[in-house]
Amino acid sequence: AQSVTQPDARVTVSEGASLQLRCKYSSSVTPYLFWYVQYPRQGLQLLLKYYSGDPVVQGVNGFEAEFSKSNSSFHLRKASVHWSDSAVYFCAVSIQGTGSKLSFGKGAKLTVSP
Amino acid sequence: NAGVIQTPRHKVTGKGQEATLWCEPISGHSAVFWYRQTIVQGLEFLTYFRNQAPIDDSGMPKERFSAQMPNQSHSTLKIQSTQPQDSAVYLCASSLTGANTEVFFGKGTRLTVV
Repeated sequence: AQSVTQPDARVTVSEGASLQLRCKYSSSVTPYLFWYVQYPRQGLQLLLKYYSGDPVVQGVNGFEAEFSKSNSSFHLRKASVHWSDSAVYFCAVSIQGTGSKLSFGKGAKLTVSP
Repeated sequence: NAGVIQTPRHKVTGKGQEATLWCEPISGHSAVFWYRQTIVQGLEFLTYFRNQAPIDDSGMPKERFSAQMPNQSHSTLKIQSTQPQDSAVYLCASSLTGANTEVFFGKGTRLTVV
């Protein structure tokens, strides 16, 4: 079975500062990796995904993530955050062959302060 | 494309009553998923249909919960004899195929059992 750990439940950064949200996964095989964002009273929106190839993947709104097989990690980054980035961010994994059934981390609530 | 549509957005039921939640997947999507979101447990997978057939219900509580997909345009999640611990946001999602393609989420139904 696969699992996802997001060690930072709450993160506060100043507007314009850089951001990193950490994600570690546990899986017997290399999973498919995703970052989703959830705004208040909204569903989940896909930010980016990694299936294979270049370990740095670009997503929407300036987000990128880097896959590391040796560290079993898939950290999310953004060079300069905006107040509108305040939301909850979820890392998720999917194991090939199980369809798109996703296992999620507990999420990281990001607050961007002015 | 209206996205995945979930109705109602909010539902309040009395303890012991039945609750039925509805989901309309994106037209043409063959995979439909149900997840439950709570503060304590986070996002939990419940069940998954592909081409209307149940594929994986490993996350469904064995008692009181059932899900159906009578046609390709809607799925229902039914909770019998609701209990306060069933209070959660129930998210429906769909994807084009089950094989690790992008999953699109609805805005969820917030169920409150009083």
